[in-house]
Amino acid sequence: NAGVMQNPRHLVRRRGQEARLRCSPMKGHSHVYWYRQLPEEGLKFMVYLQKENIIDESGMPKERFSAEFPKEGPSILRIQQVVRGDSAAYFCASSPIQGEGFTEAFFGQGTRLTVV
Amino acid sequence: TQLLEQSPQFLSIQEGENLTVYCNSSSVFSSLQWYRQEPGEGPVLLVTVVTGGEVKKLKRLTFQFGDARKDSSLHITAAQPGDTGLYLCAGAHDYKLSFGAGTTVTVRA
Repeated sequence: NAGVMQNPRHLVRRRGQEARLRCSPMKGHSHVYWYRQLPEEGLKFMVYLQKENIIDESGMPKERFSAEFPKEGPSILRIQQVVRGDSAAYFCASSPIQGEGFTEAFFGQGTRLTVV
Repeated sequence: TQLLEQSPQFLSIQEGENLTVYCNSSSVFSSLQWYRQEPGEGPVLLVTVVTGGEVKKLKRLTFQFGDARKDSSLHITAAQPGDTGLYLCAGAHDYKLSFGAGTTVTVRA
């Protein structure tokens, strides 16, 4: 029973390039979340998606960042025109259908983005 | 400003000793989760507590959720080097998790 799968594990991009991070949720999970962990900081919520729907993107920077979770295939977090400040660990989490007022999320191993 | 405050920030103890990590907030959460994260890896879910006053035990780990569902503690009995890691608490408001900054625990052999 595979867990949340993220790839690549490590990604190096030059300033101005695009970064695409992929996440396949656990089997049976229909909810996907992206979190960012900056050095010496805690994990910060970025976006919550269900299949073909963005439910909450309140934690996403207004520019250059986008996320999708298509009907088929993994969820994608895209960062355009990367800058050094985007260097961080990006984690994807998934959860099963929500019970009322209850959330249990399982995290992937993360993608460590380094912008040079 | 962190929504959840964890203390202490760092904890170094000898194998066999006990330790307690605290997670405090002024907010009420629908549930609270504890994770352990090792360097270069993602957070691994240890436990979810839902009911105020709830106590859960996982082998040598004991988790408690405060009566008002604002705070929690993690107690490890007879710590082992394998318990070394970053312990994170996360409070849930609906689907959104708010994480503490974590407590780095080092257990020396």
